[in-house]
Amino acid sequence: DGGITQSPKYLFRKEGQNVTLSCEQNLNHDAMYWYRQDPGQGLRLIYYSQIVNDFQKGDIAEGYSVSREKKESFPLTVTSAQKNPTAFYLCASSIDPPATSGRALGDEQFFGPGTRLTVL
Amino acid sequence: RKEVEQDPGPFNVPEGATVAFNCTYSNSASQSFFWYRQDCRKEPKLLMSVYSSGNEDGRFTAQLNRASQYISLLIRDSKLSDSATYLCVITGGSYIPTFGRGTSLIVHP
Repeated sequence: DGGITQSPKYLFRKEGQNVTLSCEQNLNHDAMYWYRQDPGQGLRLIYYSQIVNDFQKGDIAEGYSVSREKKESFPLTVTSAQKNPTAFYLCASSIDPPATSGRALGDEQFFGPGTRLTVL
Repeated sequence: RKEVEQDPGPFNVPEGATVAFNCTYSNSASQSFFWYRQDCRKEPKLLMSVYSSGNEDGRFTAQLNRASQYISLLIRDSKLSDSATYLCVITGGSYIPTFGRGTSLIVHP
């Protein structure tokens, strides 16, 4: 079955450590996204990538880094520079972002199950 | 004014009730509109796309009002299993989706 996976489901980090969250999709989607969700809040965009070897900062990119070396993979690194990293991290993908598809409507985003990161 | 705004609720309704949520947006150039459902501690899942002509899927009806810049979600004959948070997602001129903070629905017996 096609889908999007994230690992690990739960992650604990000591202050000052970098950690990398995995996101893999086998849906052949071009676009991938990373969001952060805090309790009682909506999703905030960290980074997104529309194509391999290219990615853009979202609204809250400071303290995070990403890479997109393969179409299927979009790992997120939470660095020690992120002041308040404890949150629920969600990865998503979509077939083709409107900017490159030329279509008027955006495409549905498919989400992975998320990673809960806790800083000890 | 925030780009996308939702009443966080919670909306507390009995089984069988009809309930409606609205989501307002500030960017008049917004092009695509969605409602997602998110269960507690789970990922969001697409509930409905919202088309200009409106659309219906069983007990769920979504509508778009471009003049007043809002979308709506109507749930008829509420079930206990409808209890969740409903997120609106709107893509504006930047083509990047913006999420509302969600509206919590609690359906009780």
